[in-house]
Amino acid sequence: AAGVIQSPRHLIKEKRETATLKCYPIPRHDTVYWYQQGPGQDPQFLISFYEKMQSDKGSIPDRFSAQQFSDYHSELNMSSLELGDSALYFCASSSPTGANVLTFGAGSRLTVL
Amino acid sequence: GDSVTQMEGPVTLSEEAFLTINCTYTATGYPSLFWYVQYPGEGLQLLLKATKADDKGSNKGFEATYRKETTSFHLEKGSVQVSDSAVYFCALSYGGATNKLIFGTGTLLAVQP
Repeated sequence: AAGVIQSPRHLIKEKRETATLKCYPIPRHDTVYWYQQGPGQDPQFLISFYEKMQSDKGSIPDRFSAQQFSDYHSELNMSSLELGDSALYFCASSSPTGANVLTFGAGSRLTVL
Repeated sequence: GDSVTQMEGPVTLSEEAFLTINCTYTATGYPSLFWYVQYPGEGLQLLLKATKADDKGSNKGFEATYRKETTSFHLEKGSVQVSDSAVYFCALSYGGATNKLIFGTGTLLAVQP
């Protein structure tokens, strides 16, 4: 079965650089969620999109932005990177008939040096 | 606000031992409850869920019952295996437009042969 695809899986950036993470949801899933998981921490909700519109916003820094495109894939753009942005970034998707279940991708590990 | 509290780990057990990981929640409404599992280096996988009080979720020998009176959703397994070693996250969500998951801090389970 198709899963949530995230790219890149690993990314290394310098401080103050910009990074873009991509997420391809499961086909026919219309909602995408982004989470940030720091080392040894629980995943923190950043932002979500439903039908290409932002549906909810969590603890996403102003330096970050995201959008969902017409093909339902989503991109998370991170600018002026800081050391503290080093984390695992998960994307998840859900369907309107999915009984509240989120399916997660394998994550993108960002390391800021 | 809504929150999830899990017992701290790590939990270290011998193979075939009985497992309990405690989870309690604070909610303003009537959420669905979930257990997700994260194996080393991998993304989050849904283990089981329950959508209303007294529901029991079960999967792969794991069980958890939605207890409204004690606001709990404890995870249990009668006989753990080495392959169950992972981090377990308890979570809640309300579904609908704000379907984001609120996670507990995670509990590391280490099963020794």
